[in-house]
Amino acid sequence: GAVVSQHPSWVICKSGTSVKIECRSLDFQATTMFWYRQFPKQSLMLMATSNEGSKATYEQGVEKDKFLINHASLTLSTLTVTSAHPEDSSFYICSAETGTGQPQHFGDGTRLSIL
Amino acid sequence: SQKIEQNSEALNIQEGKTATLTCNYTNYSPAYLQWYRQDPGRGPVFLLLIRENEKEKRKERLKVTFDTTLKQSLFHITASQPADSATYLCALDPGTASKLTFGTGTRLQVTL
Repeated sequence: GAVVSQHPSWVICKSGTSVKIECRSLDFQATTMFWYRQFPKQSLMLMATSNEGSKATYEQGVEKDKFLINHASLTLSTLTVTSAHPEDSSFYICSAETGTGQPQHFGDGTRLSIL
Repeated sequence: SQKIEQNSEALNIQEGKTATLTCNYTNYSPAYLQWYRQDPGRGPVFLLLIRENEKEKRKERLKVTFDTTLKQSLFHITASQPADSATYLCALDPGTASKLTFGTGTRLQVTL
């Protein structure tokens, strides 16, 4: 149980393109989902907390107009990297929780490469 | 500022031995501490959660201890196997906003 699916797993695109990443909870409802970014050999850095039906809460230093988050249903959150540039290249991972004090369940990540 | 440190970048041990990984934190009072495993190119997978009022938690070959006085958690894998080779992350949960703060991770390599 508690499976999180993330798509696509790998994206290569030109600079200036916008890229949408989907995160779905397959067998449970998630009122809260999280988006992380991970650079090589570094730990996960929380970018934003996505709440169903309301605006996302962004961490300090994360541009909300650059990283658009939509949590339209209890099973789907999307992250759109707008006008992506090479410095946005990274491993983006989403997670969903089933409740406070419960573990988070992670997707398998999206490797984004901007040329 | 909050800081989470995990011991050494890589830990190499022989198959069958016990691996012990350390997670130290400062300027933090977590309600929960969690351990995850991450394989290259994959998302983290949850292993164990321990609450602030618990000293120890076990699951099969895994054991976690939590010392809120020392601000430290130890993660043990007994009878380690090559399949245990991965990066292990500790994460602190304040228990309110459910926002996890992850440590830097320890890469474990189990050799034959």
